[in-house]
Amino acid sequence: GQNIDQPTEMTATEGAIVQINCTYQTSGFNGLFWYQQHAGEAPTFLSYNVLDGLEEKGRFSSFLSRSKGYSYLLLKELQMKDSASYLCAVRQSGGSYIPTFGRGTSLIVHP
Amino acid sequence: DAGITQSPRHKVTETGTPVTLRCHQTENHRYMYWYRQDPGHGLRLIHYSYGVKDTDKGEVSDGYSVSRSKTEDFLLTLESATSSQTSVYFCATDTGDSNQPQHFGDGTRLSIL
Repeated sequence: GQNIDQPTEMTATEGAIVQINCTYQTSGFNGLFWYQQHAGEAPTFLSYNVLDGLEEKGRFSSFLSRSKGYSYLLLKELQMKDSASYLCAVRQSGGSYIPTFGRGTSLIVHP
Repeated sequence: DAGITQSPRHKVTETGTPVTLRCHQTENHRYMYWYRQDPGHGLRLIHYSYGVKDTDKGEVSDGYSVSRSKTEDFLLTLESATSSQTSVYFCATDTGDSNQPQHFGDGTRLSIL
């Protein structure tokens, strides 16, 4: 089975940097995804990590350490529109690659 | 976008009635999933399909059944709805490749009174 932990809620100021952590325990690992979900909307894909290190995509970056079972999503130059839930999902290796989701982190950006 | 359409988008019904939710995709993705999303629980997998007529259970499958008679359609049925099944239901699809993300429909808000 898998266990994925994220903080429930975070707040930050417009223009700042915020780091959202995700820790996981799994019997096999085959990739980690971050999704963004605005209230009342569908989740949308942000980033994918399968190897250790940092993946940068504009204002968003995602980091992975497989040995520590740890990832973070880094959001720079925060904007009000970044207020959303951020979901971490892990695919196991071996057999099916069905992803398991964490409970999500609700980020509130205030002026 | 994967072109995923869920119907209906909203439904209110009574306890004990059958309910069917439909997911239609236009991208020929092999895998299709049904999730429910509740406050404090995140996305929980109900059932998934890895091909026509090939389905399997997720972590919260009790009280739900699914069918996939065509690649593009995945139906979720609540045989006898209960108030605990009030939730937002999301359909998702992907290619089945481990490095590919899931694409989500806009969700169905289901209320069971």
